[in-house]
Amino acid sequence: DTAVSQTPKYLVTQMGNDKSIKCEQNLGHDTMYWYKQDSKKFLKIMFSYNNKELIINETVPNRFSPKSPDKAHLNLHINSLELGDSAVYFCASSQEPRAGGGEQYFGPGTRLTVT
Amino acid sequence: QKEVEQDPGPLSVPEGAIVSLNCTYSNSAFQYFMWYRQYSRKGPELLMYTYSSGNKEDGRFTAQVDKSSKYISLFIRDSQPSDSATYLCAFTIYNFNKFYFGSGTKLNVKP
Repeated sequence: DTAVSQTPKYLVTQMGNDKSIKCEQNLGHDTMYWYKQDSKKFLKIMFSYNNKELIINETVPNRFSPKSPDKAHLNLHINSLELGDSAVYFCASSQEPRAGGGEQYFGPGTRLTVT
Repeated sequence: QKEVEQDPGPLSVPEGAIVSLNCTYSNSAFQYFMWYRQYSRKGPELLMYTYSSGNKEDGRFTAQVDKSSKYISLFIRDSQPSDSATYLCAFTIYNFNKFYFGSGTKLNVKP
């Protein structure tokens, strides 16, 4: 069973389009994250959600809108896609520290190419 | 000053060599220190996780933390071609709301 899954794995689209990436975790974790990894492998946090509530928004353009319908899902919607949005997007989850957590589990990534 | 600095490599070593990977950080609030391994076209996976200064060993891997120097290291003994990957250091504070990653060091272990 996949712990953290993302769909789609690859996404090729044109500038100006709107697209969504879905993430699901079956680990029972409380916190979920979205990261962007650029071509130089730099992994930068975008959003962090705890129990469906947004707790971190790292100066991401408001064209990016995360949505957490429940604790196990964190989706990412991107409006008006730009060339600079091309990257690999990773979803991750972790348990709360007081529950003995901290270890982050990453999904396989979604490779977004904007042409 | 960047919060996390990591040499991007690439680092190329022969099979069986001891590998040393390093990161420095500037934020004194960091309390948890991690090393992730990322194979090409895959998500990062946690290798080592510690919250105190000193050494932590797990098989061929040893994580070392020096809080006074704000410096962490990952040592790989008897390196194998299967260790070829990008290694990312990561840090977080007590509430785990945000993780800070290094840019990754690409390691190539030649058979």
